[in-house]
Amino acid sequence: QKEVEQNSGPLSVPEGAIASLNCTYSDRGSQSFFWYRQYSGKSPELIMFIYSNGDKEDGRFTAQLNKASQYVSLLIRDSQPSDSATYLCAVNTNSGNTPLVFGKGTRLSVIA
Amino acid sequence: GAGVSQSPRYKVAKRGQDVALRCDPISGHVSLFWYQQALGQGPEFLTYFQNEAQLDKSGLPSDRFFAERPEGSVSTLKIQRTQQEDSAVYLCASSPNSNQPQHFGDGTRLSIL
Repeated sequence: QKEVEQNSGPLSVPEGAIASLNCTYSDRGSQSFFWYRQYSGKSPELIMFIYSNGDKEDGRFTAQLNKASQYVSLLIRDSQPSDSATYLCAVNTNSGNTPLVFGKGTRLSVIA
Repeated sequence: GAGVSQSPRYKVAKRGQDVALRCDPISGHVSLFWYQQALGQGPEFLTYFQNEAQLDKSGLPSDRFFAERPEGSVSTLKIQRTQQEDSAVYLCASSPNSNQPQHFGDGTRLSIL
C-alpha cells in the first residue's frame, strides 16, 4: 500500500525564521511530488512541485527531493503569520495524470 | 472565474437520502479527480476521469457512490442512501493532460444527520 507520512505537528516557529516541513513516502516508483497549503475550511492550494532529485526554489519556498532516501521537504524562509496553515505532501507514481496520495498534513503555526 | 468550481458549498442531508455534488473543472482540463477529506486527514482518492472516460474508480468506498462526466467537462458525484460516515469534504481537482499538477476546487462539505 502506498503511504505518505508527515509529522502532524503543530510545528511552531517565530516570525522571520525558517520553517522545515518533512515528508517520507513508501513507493519507490513515485515520480512526482507536490506540496499543497490548506487553510482551515479551504481547499488545498498548490505551492510547489518537484520531479528531480535536488532543490527547487520559488520565492521564499524551497522544495528538496531525495529519491534514494524517499524523502521530500519544504523549507519556508522568512516565515510570516500568513504562512500558518496545514501543509500537505502528495506524491504520484507516474509523471502523467494519476491520483495523488496525500499525507495527513503538518500544521504550521508562525508566531508573531 | 478561472478555477475549479464546486457546488453546493455545503450540503446537509438526512441519513438515507441521495445527494449529488457538482464539479466544473478549469476550461480545457482533460483530467478530473474526486477526493474525500475527513476532518484532520489528507484528501483520499475516490475516482478519476480522462475526458468522459472513468479510468479509475478504485477509491469509491461502496457501490452507493457513483460518478459521471458524460460530456467530458462537468462531473457529478452521487451518493445514494447516505450514511453518517459519508460526512466529509468532497474535493474535485482538474489538470491539463499529462505531467501537470492538479488544482482543487473549494469543495463541498457534506453533513449527514
